[in-house]
Amino acid sequence: EVQLVETGGGLVQPGKSLKLTCATSGFTFSTAWMHWVRQSPEKRLEWIARIKDKSNNYATDYVESVKGRFTISRDDSKSSVYLQMNSLKEEDTATYYCTQLGGGYWGQGVMVTVSS
Amino acid sequence: DIVMTQSPSSLAVSAGETVTINCKSSQSLLSSGNQKNYLAWYQQKPGQSPKLLIYLASTRESGVPDRFIGSGSGTDFTLTISSVQAEDLADYYCQQHYSYPLTFGSGTKLEIK
Repeated sequence: EVQLVETGGGLVQPGKSLKLTCATSGFTFSTAWMHWVRQSPEKRLEWIARIKDKSNNYATDYVESVKGRFTISRDDSKSSVYLQMNSLKEEDTATYYCTQLGGGYWGQGVMVTVSS
Repeated sequence: DIVMTQSPSSLAVSAGETVTINCKSSQSLLSSGNQKNYLAWYQQKPGQSPKLLIYLASTRESGVPDRFIGSGSGTDFTLTISSVQAEDLADYYCQQHYSYPLTFGSGTKLEIK
């Protein structure tokens, strides 16, 4: 059974940092391209980051609104992908999903609230 | 960035009726190399994560009922749900996977009368 479990969300003040973790199992993580997608309180879905596999040099890509603030990374030995979020803004408030889009696998999501 | 325009934003139908949801992209999603359209459809039921229904515009994901039909090419795409059932109550999103940044439509809320 495929599982993706996100952790690390919570309430954080503007300007602060947070790191999300997605632990996966049930599929070949080492060759999977992994993504983070977020959903705003208004239910708008936004793709925010992707990391390729080792054969593609772990290349990353980001949506413009998070470039320079967010960093996606992975640990193939732990079948986990991470999202380091710095300089958080109120507009980053959302539910964050870890997903292996190609296989149609999504986590249950983790809420991040940025508010003073 | 490719802008995805989805319509309608909501609709209410009775069980057994047929539903059509439209999605228009600001650029063609048709690859000249393999003649495939890089368009996906997702279903999100209340309190759940999005679920992949259709990819490459018309290929149903394994286990998806055949009443869900994806069609279209280039910049205009349609998700048709024939003989809607109560369990189809959900939000539906289109998404282009042609180029980065990947982008989603704004969603269609399907209500059952």
